[in-house]
Amino acid sequence: EAGVTQFPSHSVIEKGQTVTLRCDPISGHDNLYWYRRVMGKEIKFLLHFVKESKQDESGMPNNRFLAERTGGTYSTLKVQPAELEDSGVYFCASSRFGETQYFGPGTRLLVL
Amino acid sequence: QQQVKQSPQSLIVQKGGISIINCAYENTAFDYFPWYQQFPGKGPALLIAIRPDVSEKKEGRFTISFNKSAKQFSLHIMDSQPGDSATYFCAASDSGYALNFGKGTSLLVTP
Repeated sequence: EAGVTQFPSHSVIEKGQTVTLRCDPISGHDNLYWYRRVMGKEIKFLLHFVKESKQDESGMPNNRFLAERTGGTYSTLKVQPAELEDSGVYFCASSRFGETQYFGPGTRLLVL
Repeated sequence: QQQVKQSPQSLIVQKGGISIINCAYENTAFDYFPWYQQFPGKGPALLIAIRPDVSEKKEGRFTISFNKSAKQFSLHIMDSQPGDSATYFCAASDSGYALNFGKGTSLLVTP
């Protein structure tokens, strides 16, 4: 069974630019989550999809972040425009039901 | 506001020793407490998890101890091995969905 995949693995952009991160969950997993770890801080929850619907987006930092999940399959997280404080590692996770979440390797974003 | 506090930040243990990592929480609505293990370049992977209706759960060399009244839980790694060197995260959830993580503990097991 293929795991959660994320693309790109690394991204370096300048402040003000746009970046789109992609996550492909494990096949059959209706639940998809985005998390972020800023350097020196804890991994923080951003949002949770159930199929194509946003179940919980309480962790989204501001309206520069837009998450979508097309057809309940893969998901994208767009940051527009990117700010310096958006730098960090963005993790995607998926689960069939609740509890056991399988994480992808993360996308390392650096905003200069 | 950090929901789960984890200590120590880093830990060095000799091979064969016991590694102990502690976490504390405030939200009494939390009812699911997993521990994740992360190796460099990889995402966190679920190691072991516990619910508050039990005080201890053991899987192989890994044990979670849970103290509901103190709102604390800990991970014990018995007979620690160099291959256990990784970053460990505790987490808590009140829904089984959104996880609240601690800051992580970097464990180094020396030969």
